[in-house]
Amino acid sequence: DTEVTQTPKHLVMGMTNKKSLKCEQHMGHRAMYWYKQKAKKPPELMFVYSYEKLSINESVPSRFSPECPNSSLLNLHLHALQPEDSALYLCASSQQDWQPQHFGDGTRLSIL
Amino acid sequence: SQQGEEDPQALSIQEGENATMNCSYKTSINNLQWYRQNSGRGLVHLILIRSNEREKHSGRLRVTLDTSKKSSSLLITASRAADTASYFCGPNTGNQFYFGTGTSLTVIP
Repeated sequence: DTEVTQTPKHLVMGMTNKKSLKCEQHMGHRAMYWYKQKAKKPPELMFVYSYEKLSINESVPSRFSPECPNSSLLNLHLHALQPEDSALYLCASSQQDWQPQHFGDGTRLSIL
Repeated sequence: SQQGEEDPQALSIQEGENATMNCSYKTSINNLQWYRQNSGRGLVHLILIRSNEREKHSGRLRVTLDTSKKSSSLLITASRAADTASYFCGPNTGNQFYFGTGTSLTVIP
């Protein structure tokens, strides 16, 4: 069983919808990450939160909006997405920045 | 891009054989991490090798690091069907971390 929980597992949304992806960990990790992964490609880093503050934004379009309400939770708010945003979105956490990461099983997102 | 590059892209072997995959990277690193990803799942951390280490073992895994060549290799000995997965290296510079392009390993029973 994964120690990082992501919900929902699957999400289908239209380009005008607003939805949120959720990630939760209870390992006391202080770094949390969002990645985007397309089929047969490596995960691409989107955002890093360190001690609940956004420390890295890899030039991600503003239609993706991260939020870290507390040290255990990480959200990714989605609005006006494009078909090319369809992908597996992975959340990860680690004790400190760039230490070995624990991954959730991801949310598979499809944009119609 | 700081991305590591891995080869081969794909590898198919018989159960019981050894599998070797290689990772090359571009800048100085603090450590290099290897991860496995089973189809449809998240990544799982396998092993971390620090920049001052040359070789590290964990069970059937052996990792080497050559910082002069900016390269690392992952050897899986006595492979099993359950080792079928994608494997990614992750060079860590201390303030940057990117996954390599990955090697897709298929172990045939």
